[in-house]
Amino acid sequence: DAGITQSPRHKVTETGTPVTLRCHQTENHRYMYWYRQDPGHGLRLIHYSYGVKDTDKGEVSDGYSVSRSKTEDFLLTLESATSSQTSVYFCAIATGPNTEAFFGQGTRLTVV
Amino acid sequence: GESVGLHLPTLSVQEGDNSIINCAYSNSASDYFIWYKQESGKGPQFIIDIRSNMDKRQGQRVTVLLNKTVKHLSLQIAATQPGDSAVYFCAENGGTASKLTFGTGTRLQVTL
Repeated sequence: DAGITQSPRHKVTETGTPVTLRCHQTENHRYMYWYRQDPGHGLRLIHYSYGVKDTDKGEVSDGYSVSRSKTEDFLLTLESATSSQTSVYFCAIATGPNTEAFFGQGTRLTVV
Repeated sequence: GESVGLHLPTLSVQEGDNSIINCAYSNSASDYFIWYKQESGKGPQFIIDIRSNMDKRQGQRVTVLLNKTVKHLSLQIAATQPGDSAVYFCAENGGTASKLTFGTGTRLQVTL
């Protein structure tokens, strides 16, 4: 999958706890993205990064933060998980804008 | 807000027939479009893309057509095979680099 690794692949956490998901790439791509996928909504962009320490919000960024301290890693943090954040989270990478994005295998997060 | 949508949530075709999956988009500023295929339990997989300066683009067994006048995108799969069974998403960039907006998806079922 284009050298993208998401971890963990599955996680169950309690409401109110912080959670961090990791996306690691070996492709040296500049752009990295976090999406969530829910039934009836398709994929929705949470945050993205266009370089080290350069990030911006997507359409569903509330309750999420990200960090990118090095090219290969993009972290997604739920500061205080809520049940509405139960979802499948996908990381994607791209060489630049208006190029195809390659997706990881996803992380299934359940907030109970 | 502006969004990408699909006309048919489920499409059933016989093996060997051609499949056509449609997508309507509403953002006239979009100038880059992608089709993705997603199999159960996996991340979306890039199929083909097209830029707004083109009307048609062909790949291996797949063709994407873009009609900017009516803001319509379609994916044609020739000689559909059982392995083509999946959910297909169209995505547009909204004219903004790095922010792909996805439709809700169409499930393609291939019958023998």
